Amino acid sequence: DQQVKQNSPSLSVQEGRISILNCDYTNSMFDYFLWYKKYPAEGPTFLISISSIKDKNEDGRFTVFLNKSAKHLSLHIVPSQPGDSAVYFCAASKTGANNLFFGTGTRLTVIP
Amino acid sequence: KAGVTQTPRYLIKTRGQQVTLSCSPISGHRSVSWYQQTPGQGLQFLFEYFSETQRNKGNFPGRFSGRQFSNSRSEMNVSTLELGDSALYLCASRPRTSGMTDTQYFGPGTRLTVL
Repeated sequence: DQQVKQNSPSLSVQEGRISILNCDYTNSMFDYFLWYKKYPAEGPTFLISISSIKDKNEDGRFTVFLNKSAKHLSLHIVPSQPGDSAVYFCAASKTGANNLFFGTGTRLTVIP
Repeated sequence: KAGVTQTPRYLIKTRGQQVTLSCSPISGHRSVSWYQQTPGQGLQFLFEYFSETQRNKGNFPGRFSGRQFSNSRSEMNVSTLELGDSALYLCASRPRTSGMTDTQYFGPGTRLTVL
């Protein structure tokens, strides 16, 4: 049972434009959400996170939005750069838990 | 500070064999988690160890086991390998085990192929 879903396996965006990656979750107990980026032959690296007490968190070109009522979060990258081309994983956790539930990933390609 | 290291990076085994994978966490990190990554399932949690004790376990059969040593290094073992065990196995470390707000740092993974 996939509790965290990324329904778009891939996304292509022109350099300089906005990239929007989406993620849905089913477990209403999740209260902490993270995005990881993964390059080939490397492990995932932490990008940005958000607690359920917030609806937006921003870090440079990266912004994560959380819509708790819709159980939906999104990652915005503005402006997109070719170096952003990677697989992006959405992950979720709940208070007291010691593991993350990951989505299946979205491969972002930024076209120069 | 050195990152999370995993050995070996690549492994080929045949069905029925067993395999042991190793993970060395970042110095000072006491929590080590293991994940399995497959194309259709994304990353799935296997188990977490803290201070040599398994703290949490995912929904995997008993063929998957692990342990942690006093220096926080961890190993995972898969016995009686099946074709479906072919995957990238990722190890992640973090300083402590209380909740998930601490960032996990992932190693590069071990690519296991079962023939």
